[in-house]
Amino acid sequence: DSGVTQTPKHLITATGQRVTLRCSPRSGDLSVYWYQQSLDQGLQFLIQYYNGEERAKGNILERFSAQQFPDLHSELNLSSLELGDSALYFCASSAGGGGNQPQHFGDGTRLSIL
Amino acid sequence: ELKVEQNPLFLSMQEGKNYTIYCNYSTTSDRLYWYRQDPGKSLESLFVLLSNGAVKQEGRLMASLDTKARLSTLHITAAVHDLSATYFCAVDANFGNEKLTFGTGTRLTIIP
Repeated sequence: DSGVTQTPKHLITATGQRVTLRCSPRSGDLSVYWYQQSLDQGLQFLIQYYNGEERAKGNILERFSAQQFPDLHSELNLSSLELGDSALYFCASSAGGGGNQPQHFGDGTRLSIL
Repeated sequence: ELKVEQNPLFLSMQEGKNYTIYCNYSTTSDRLYWYRQDPGKSLESLFVLLSNGAVKQEGRLMASLDTKARLSTLHITAAVHDLSATYFCAVDANFGNEKLTFGTGTRLTIIP
């Protein structure tokens, strides 16, 4: 158990809809990262937050947005969903701030678009 | 743009044999991570390599980093079935544990 909690585990929805994925980091970790894993794109970094502020951005679509709340949990919002958004979405956390620790991954949310 | 390449993509090996997975990356970095993923599961951190010449070992797995060659290796010694999984290397080119760029992964199957 990595200590990173993601909900829900599975999500099935239709094209055009909007969903919210939630992540609670390990106790004490200030950084939260979001990744997308799909068969064609592999593991892709989406965005990082550190102590409530956006720190780094990857190839995140404009339809996607994220935020980190004062209690350090994070949410990833996906809107106007398309079939190609079907993927496994991982949240990871670390102490951040340039430390030497690895990112610890949650169990992921499997998103299926019908 | 940072590119991270792993080879082989697929590896099927017999129990008891030795083999090496290679991870090449395209820009300067001194932070490289190895992860393991079982099918449908999360990623488990295996090794953190933070400097040129770093070598880490855990059980039958040993990882090393050559920053000058931009190459990391994951060596498997006397493979056992439990090591069957997909192995990823990931590079942090921002020197601050931020944006990780992952390799394509190596799917390892250990045959009894």
